[in-house]
Amino acid sequence: QVHLVESGGAVVQPGGSLRLSCAASGFTFSDYGMHWVRQVPGKGLECVSFIRFNGNGIYYADAVKGRFITSRDNSKNTLYLQMNSLRPEDTAMYYCAKQQYLLIPDYWGQGTLVTVSS
Amino acid sequence: DIMMTQTPLSSPVTLGQPASISCKSSQSLVHSDGNTYLTWLQQRPGQPPRLLIYKISDRFSGVPDRFSGSGAGTDFTLRISRVEAEDVGVYYCMQATQFPITFGQGTRLEIK
Repeated sequence: QVHLVESGGAVVQPGGSLRLSCAASGFTFSDYGMHWVRQVPGKGLECVSFIRFNGNGIYYADAVKGRFITSRDNSKNTLYLQMNSLRPEDTAMYYCAKQQYLLIPDYWGQGTLVTVSS
Repeated sequence: DIMMTQTPLSSPVTLGQPASISCKSSQSLVHSDGNTYLTWLQQRPGQPPRLLIYKISDRFSGVPDRFSGSGAGTDFTLRISRVEAEDVGVYYCMQATQFPITFGQGTRLEIK
């Protein structure tokens, strides 16, 4: 079955950087686009980015544009989120999610927590 | 960005009774391909979101048939025919018609 495992979350100071990973299994990773979605603890869900199946189209929410970089390695079945110039408002649980069709996310990982604090 | 607005934000329900959640979008969710990509997600306490319904009314794999979706254009509804204890959690509507995908504020379903 589909399995998504995020890792890399940590406590980081404002202005710092972090790289998250999402290891995928149970499906043909190279056939599907992938999402990053975040959630402030106890709050709602917010889109971060979407990357097409082959990495040739990458889209970012305005809140992270210019600071975050999404990439993927289809040979390793892994999705990445490079987070730079981190701000306290980036503190959240970060989820990766598999595309079902177009922009619909069907399967979600358990998430990895990023805390930006001095 | 398309804004999604849910009502109510909290819904206390008696076990075995129905529940209903409304979702309105700030603009039509009809895609250029003719489909409407309105989805419903469930988030149980301490869990990641789970896809329940996509394209307004299609149930995702493994979703019980007590969950149903309806609506068109900008107005949508999720219905649970008979609430069970395992349905406790927060329900989000989400539009996947255009990027960025956007979510409603969430509706907390609790048992009376």
